[in-house]
Amino acid sequence: DAGVTQSPTHLIKTRGQQVTLRCSPKSGHDTVSWYQQALGQGPQFIFQYYEEEERQRGNFPDRFSGHQFPNYSSELNVNALLLGDSALYLCASSSKGQGNTEAFFGQGTRLTVV
Amino acid sequence: LAKTTQPISMDSYEGQEVNITCSHNNIATNDYITWYQQFPSQGPRFIIQGYKTKVTNEVASLFIPADRKSSTLSLPRVSLSDTAVYYCLVGDRNTGFQKLVFGTGTRLLVSP
Repeated sequence: DAGVTQSPTHLIKTRGQQVTLRCSPKSGHDTVSWYQQALGQGPQFIFQYYEEEERQRGNFPDRFSGHQFPNYSSELNVNALLLGDSALYLCASSSKGQGNTEAFFGQGTRLTVV
Repeated sequence: LAKTTQPISMDSYEGQEVNITCSHNNIATNDYITWYQQFPSQGPRFIIQGYKTKVTNEVASLFIPADRKSSTLSLPRVSLSDTAVYYCLVGDRNTGFQKLVFGTGTRLLVSP
């Protein structure tokens, strides 16, 4: 049973560009959340998707957007990249039916903006 | 969401028991306490979750006093591979943990 998979694992982008990160949730999970983790800090919640809709959002600008597909996979898009967007981006999946009691995280995508 | 406070770092030796205490003075009635472990360049991994008294699984024990204003994660007989960052979180399980709020965590270093 594959866990949460994210792609790509590493990415280098230039300031001002746009990036799309992808996430496939653990089998049986229907809820996907995205987190940004800067070096030396804990993960910060970006937003959560359930039933293809954004259900809750953290304190991130509109440059951060997302999408969830019918197969529960998800994308995170970041426009107009800034140097400060360099971080590890984590995807977590959980099951709404099980109360989201345990979130499973992927390995993350390391984004470097130069 | 209740704020949590943990020690920034802890040191231990192989074979010792490690106890990491987390303070959550403003915990709400419906909040549960969850601990995650994170290795460098990996996503956090769920360790244990509890509401009150004591919870034990194959990895750790979680002790929660009656007032629930703190909790202690206990790792028995740690090994080098337990070197990681440990996060304490509180959240309302009844509303589905819509978002997890991580602090800076406790960096545990286990030495030979």
